[in-house]
Amino acid sequence: GENVEQHPSTLSVQEGDSAVIKCTYSDSASNYFPWYKQELGKGPQLIIDIRSNVGEKKDQRIAVTLNKTAKHFSLHITETQPEDSAVYFCAAGRGYSSASKIIFGSGTRLSIRP
Amino acid sequence: GAGVSQSPRYKVAKRGQDVALRCDPISGHVSLFWYQQALGQGPEFLTYFQNEAQLDKSGLPSDRFFAERPEGSVSTLKIQRTQQEDSAVYLCASSLRGTGSTDTQYFGPGTRLTVL
Repeated sequence: GENVEQHPSTLSVQEGDSAVIKCTYSDSASNYFPWYKQELGKGPQLIIDIRSNVGEKKDQRIAVTLNKTAKHFSLHITETQPEDSAVYFCAAGRGYSSASKIIFGSGTRLSIRP
Repeated sequence: GAGVSQSPRYKVAKRGQDVALRCDPISGHVSLFWYQQALGQGPEFLTYFQNEAQLDKSGLPSDRFFAERPEGSVSTLKIQRTQQEDSAVYLCASSLRGTGSTDTQYFGPGTRLTVL
């Protein structure tokens, strides 16, 4: 079945350094790849997404890359700040089909050390 | 504007009880999703509505789980004869358009269900 694997499960970086989270997916028909940030007691919040017709997208300190051939995509956060501490989820979806559900990875708990 | 709201935020049930969880999506959003999130895991898809039509219920774990959206807005997820393994956070999400789109899914805060 459809599966999204995410690594690492926990990540601790010094404030100001960069953080990278990697995901792989199994469904070759996936064409939509959102990233969500979840803070304690809250629902996931979209931070950036990428569609299969582009290889990279950037929004201020956040960037996502996609390699469709290898079926993997990554989240890069530069100049990390304390407020970046949260759990991050990658996901993959298949738009233009009968169900626009997305499959989530298992999450990465990111901690920013002051 | 208002986001997705869910109620109750916390629910404690004794094993065997029935529970009903409510989701109010963003006004005008066509699509509505229910997810189950176990502790320390990512959300897992349960079911999907486009307006009042339930187009996908492949993620519902058993026939004890039932969801409805009778007027195409508010949705209710009902769990009958709750069991301890049903303990999780139940998330609702909505998006603007229907099938054929990959619009952003906006999530509510979730309902934390604890079955004793």
